[in-house]
Amino acid sequence: QQQVKQSPQSLIVQKGGIPIINCAYENTAFDYFPWYQQFPGKGPALLIAIRPDVSEKKEGRFTISFNKSAKQFSLHIMDSQPGDSATYFCAASFFYTGNQFYFGTGTSLTVIP
Amino acid sequence: ETGVTQSPTHLIKTRGQQVTLRCSSQSGHNTVSWYQQALGQGPQFIFQYYREEENGRGNFPPRFSGLQFPNYSSELNVNALELDDSALYLCASSRDRFGEKLFFGSGTQLSVL
Repeated sequence: QQQVKQSPQSLIVQKGGIPIINCAYENTAFDYFPWYQQFPGKGPALLIAIRPDVSEKKEGRFTISFNKSAKQFSLHIMDSQPGDSATYFCAASFFYTGNQFYFGTGTSLTVIP
Repeated sequence: ETGVTQSPTHLIKTRGQQVTLRCSSQSGHNTVSWYQQALGQGPQFIFQYYREEENGRGNFPPRFSGLQFPNYSSELNVNALELDDSALYLCASSRDRFGEKLFFGSGTQLSVL
């Protein structure tokens, strides 16, 4: 059973566009929601994260929107660049298990110059 | 500050064999987690070690086992390899078991023939 469902599977945008990647979860006990970025041949790297007590968090060009009632959260990449082309994973964890994450299935983003 | 290093980078085994994968955690980190990433999928939590003790396990059979050493480096052992074990195995370290940021290595690509 997939604890965190991610969509779309792949996404192609023009440079400067705003790709949006969505994730949904069922377990309301999750209390930490990070996004990881993975380039080919590399391990994932933390991009940005949010807790359910806030509805939005921005770090540079990356924004997480969080809808607690809908049990959904999304990643927005402003002014996307070709260097943002990578696979993005959402994840979730429980406070009581610490940093043991459930990852989504990933979104392959391609930003066309 | 050294990052997380994994060895070997690639490995080919045959069904039924045993394999040991190694991970050196980032300096100052006492927690190591192992994830399995099948092709086109998100990382799946195998287990976590905190100060040389197992601190949580995902939905993996007992033939997946691990160790953490006093210097906090770690090993993942898989016995009786099956074809479905073919995947990228990722090691991640964190400052402690509740540290919000996981630092991933580049992984070991295991192919089981």
